[in-house]
Amino acid sequence: NAGVTQTPKFRVLKTGQSMTLLCAQDMNHEYMYWYRQDPGMGLRLIHYSVGEGTTAKGEVPDGYNVSRLKKQNFLLGLESAAPSQTSVYFCASRPWGGTYEQYFGPGTRLTVT
Amino acid sequence: AQTVTQSQPEMSVQEAETVTLSCTYDTSESDYYLFWYKQPPSRQMILVIRQEAYKQQNATENRFSVNFQKAAKSFSLKISDSQLGDAAMYFCAYRSPAGSYQLTFGKGTKLSVIP
Repeated sequence: NAGVTQTPKFRVLKTGQSMTLLCAQDMNHEYMYWYRQDPGMGLRLIHYSVGEGTTAKGEVPDGYNVSRLKKQNFLLGLESAAPSQTSVYFCASRPWGGTYEQYFGPGTRLTVT
Repeated sequence: AQTVTQSQPEMSVQEAETVTLSCTYDTSESDYYLFWYKQPPSRQMILVIRQEAYKQQNATENRFSVNFQKAAKSFSLKISDSQLGDAAMYFCAYRSPAGSYQLTFGKGTKLSVIP
């Protein structure tokens, strides 16, 4: 099992450009999450999904969109990147119930200039 | 809304010694889960230990243990026999049993281990 993977690992964008971050999990998990990590801020939830075809807003959703067309994939889109979106982005997943542990991907470092 | 506070931005410990990282949280719920995650320089988030609020017994995982004080809303992590590999950022996280099922994280404590 690869667990949770994220593509790409690093990216540099210019202000106004768009991009999509891909998260994939091979554990058949129902829940998937996108977080951003900024220095001194911990991790903050952007969007999440409780199943294929469903998405919902988290704590800091502005400027981002998401889609979950397939159960194993969760895409995070930036339509018009801004310097304030410079951050490290983490994807996580977890199954129904159990211990509620979330399994994290390795992160994507995004820089917007 | 739940909040999680880690009041120690940085800490250090001598190798083989014991260190305690503090975490407090605010909630009106009676049933919830608490976690400690470790983030080494590789950036990978690794679960260290979990605690269910309805269990009075403190969780332990090898050299890692917690002191869970439900009334005080405190959840500290004790690392015994510290090793160089324990150097990392440590995040405390709260998970509500209902609602959006998200984790609310503290801002983290950077732990350095001195040889």
